[in-house]
Amino acid sequence: EADIYQTPRYLVIGTGKKITLECSQTMGHDKMYWYQQDPGMELHLIHYSYGVNSTEKGDLSSESTVSRIRTEHFPLTLESARPSHTSQYLCASSGAAINQPQHFGDGTRLSIL
Amino acid sequence: KNQVEQSPQSLIILEGKNCTLQCNYTVSPFSNLRWYKQDTGRGPVSLTIMTFSENTKSNGRYTATLDADTKQSSLHITASQLSDSASYICVVSDRGSTLGRLYFGRGTQLTVWP
Repeated sequence: EADIYQTPRYLVIGTGKKITLECSQTMGHDKMYWYQQDPGMELHLIHYSYGVNSTEKGDLSSESTVSRIRTEHFPLTLESARPSHTSQYLCASSGAAINQPQHFGDGTRLSIL
Repeated sequence: KNQVEQSPQSLIILEGKNCTLQCNYTVSPFSNLRWYKQDTGRGPVSLTIMTFSENTKSNGRYTATLDADTKQSSLHITASQLSDSASYICVVSDRGSTLGRLYFGRGTQLTVWP
């Protein structure tokens, strides 16, 4: 099993609230990723990082932001949650080599009321 | 446009039976193809990886095949078990970027009945 952890697992919160989804990995991986996944749909990359102080936007436009101050930690923040942000958010990490698998956390299921 | 298409969308089989899941892709230039298993409420877990030169790779009761000429892959599950119930996702990586851009299929939802 991969050592990548996401908290909280589930979050139900009202519109307008600030939210931070946590993701930590203990494998020393440089590359980390955030994906958004809706039921029956493919994963969409929303943010990624090559290492500390490196963050890039992914293919799917997202109002969220990320930071990478430490190698093991890659939190995602929504400044003002809206119902359209309701989704499952998956964090992943991988080693440096291009063929290394991405190891996924178990996700945060976010519901905005 | 780089795409990954999976079929069937969903599949129900009886415990002990075999099944085959399909994946067609248009990703170019091709780097590798992975099959992931995603249990309900969990993150995806890698089952196999196949590079351009590989035709077949097994992982226990899972056997993946790759035809790079026709851009097709299959995942064969032998002697299915209840624990095989999950979504199986085909993921293709290109080699056109340092990131190794991943293209995800929508998955095949497999249900194994006793």
